Amino acid sequence: GNSVTQMEGPVTLSEEAFLTINCTYTATGYPSLFWYVQYPGEGLQLLLKATKADDKGSNKGFEATYRKETTSFHLEKGSVQVSDSAVYFCALSEYNAGNMLTFGGGTRLMVKP
Amino acid sequence: DTGVSQDPRHKITKRGQNVTFRCDPISEHNRLYWYRQTLGQGPEFLTYFQNEAQLEKSRLLSDRFSAERPKGSFSTLEIQRTEQGDSAMYLCASSFTSGGEDTQYFGPGTRLTVL
Repeated sequence: GNSVTQMEGPVTLSEEAFLTINCTYTATGYPSLFWYVQYPGEGLQLLLKATKADDKGSNKGFEATYRKETTSFHLEKGSVQVSDSAVYFCALSEYNAGNMLTFGGGTRLMVKP
Repeated sequence: DTGVSQDPRHKITKRGQNVTFRCDPISEHNRLYWYRQTLGQGPEFLTYFQNEAQLEKSRLLSDRFSAERPKGSFSTLEIQRTEQGDSAMYLCASSFTSGGEDTQYFGPGTRLTVL
């Protein structure tokens, strides 16, 4: 079956530091890959996505590249802000399997001023 | 679009009681998904609908759980004879697909506490 593994948190960084959150996946077919973010007290929001190998998703300064050879989709940001403090979830879906999302366990990011 | 809405936002019930949650998807979205999220974990898929047809159910969905989407618009998720292990956040998401990849948009969730 499909699975997603993320680095465990919490990740604590100072403002303007570089962020990497690792995500690797196992899939039977050709998945689409997603990063969702959950801010305190709010619902899941789509942050970015990539639908095929070598695609790069980007949004709000965050980037992730779909690496089929390493089955990875690591999230990066060059300079984090306090407002980026949240829980980040990596996920995958396969359109020929109903598109249901398989999520990783989430990584909590805390950014200190 | 007003986004996906869920009602209620919070529900506290006693063990053994029945509860029902409602999800209103983004209009024109033909797919609706239910997930469950326990504290500190990622969401887990429960079931999904395409229009009014329920196409997939997870093994997590015991026979105490039932979901409907009677007119292909809003959906309800009912849990009968609730147990303490049912305490979780229940998330609804909707999407539009014409057969390929889709992007799911989530509602704020219903937090269930079973005492």
